[in-house]
Order: sequence, then structure tokens, then C-alpha cells
Amino acid sequence: GQQVQQSPASLVLQEGENAELQCNFSSTATQLQWFYQSPGGSLVSLLSNPSGTKHTGRLTSTTVTKERRSSLHISSSQTTDSGTYLCAIERRTNAYKVIFGKGTHLHVLP
Amino acid sequence: EAAVTQSPRSKVAVTGGKVTLSCHQTNNHDYMYWYRQDTGHGLRLIHYSYVADSTEKGDIPDGYKASRPSQENFSLILELASLSQTAVYFCASSDVDSGNTLYFGEGSRLIVV
Repeated sequence: GQQVQQSPASLVLQEGENAELQCNFSSTATQLQWFYQSPGGSLVSLLSNPSGTKHTGRLTSTTVTKERRSSLHISSSQTTDSGTYLCAIERRTNAYKVIFGKGTHLHVLP
Repeated sequence: EAAVTQSPRSKVAVTGGKVTLSCHQTNNHDYMYWYRQDTGHGLRLIHYSYVADSTEKGDIPDGYKASRPSQENFSLILELASLSQTAVYFCASSDVDSGNTLYFGEGSRLIVV
């Protein structure tokens, strides 16, 4: 089965509204990362948050490791936030293996 | 600034032909990864490597080979390209010292006809 599940699959907001993205994972993760993929396709890391709460700019991530879930909160959304948000977990076997969810497609309307 | 560069950025290949996608990183990272991205599937791990001259299978390795001749370079090889391998391919690097944050290349769009 899918190891990383994200919800919702897509989200449409009016500029200024807040967004809440969810990530659930089925196996033990040594690390959890959130990524942003632009409409043009480029991928950048937003933040790493294996447990607890982390803030950067308008982004807040909360990860509850025991419950195998993480959320990404985007406050005061802007049209430039439109794109795809990907959650990824890192599993360590003999090496670090990073597995992605399918993403949440966010569209912020002006 | 971390840098991962991929080549070619775009390629049209003939079914049954050989395709090599190259990735070069200047981050001095130990780990390198190849992912493919398709609509509806997200990013799926093909092969990865944590040291030069060694590669590991990811979740969808069939039809792909990988080569890590040096710490900086990681190639993905399609010996017999098939239509189902049309996708966008991303290379990434990471390192324990940088918190295992993945740094991605810009992607290589492969179309097999």
C-alpha cells in the first residue's frame, strides 16, 4: 500500500485564506520533509520536521510521530503559493530512502 | 548554494533505444537519488546511492539501471526504452550533515515514441 498519503488532493482558496495540508504515513520515519513544486516543475524543500512544531515565514508544520501524521499550515495565502505541496518521509534501512506522497495541488485565486 | 544539474533537460527517444540521463552535484553529498514523476503517481524512487561505485534499488527499478562512478555523478540508464518510461525524471542529493534535506535538479523530460 501507499506509504505516504496526502490530503486533500487539491485545494482552491481565495487569497488571504489559510490552508491546512495533511500527511499520513504508514511506516516509521526517521525524518519528514515538506516540499514545494512550482507550476513550472522545480522542487524545493520547505522544511524538515520529524517531530513537534516548526515555523518558517507563513508556514507552520506540526508532526506527531507516534500517530504518524504531519500537517502544513499556510497562513494568509498568496497567489504565488499556488503549486503542489509534497510530503516525504525518510526511512532508514541500510541507507536513507526518501518516499513521497502524491501531493496536494493548491490554487490560490486573486 | 547547493547545486544539482541534470542533462539532458529534454529528450525524445525511440522505443528500444538506449537512454542515459546524467546528474552532477557540487554539494559534496553522499546520497543521490533518481525519481520519476507521472501524473497520478507523484514522485517514485527508481534507484539511489549512498557511496560511489554502489547503487541500491528503489521502489520501481525494473527497466532501469544506475551508475555512480564518483561522488559527484549519478546516471540513470534505460537500456531498452519503452513507451511506459515517458515521464519527467528528477535527480536529488542529500547528506546526513545537512539534515538529509533533498536538493533537486531541474528535471529531465523524456518522451519515448
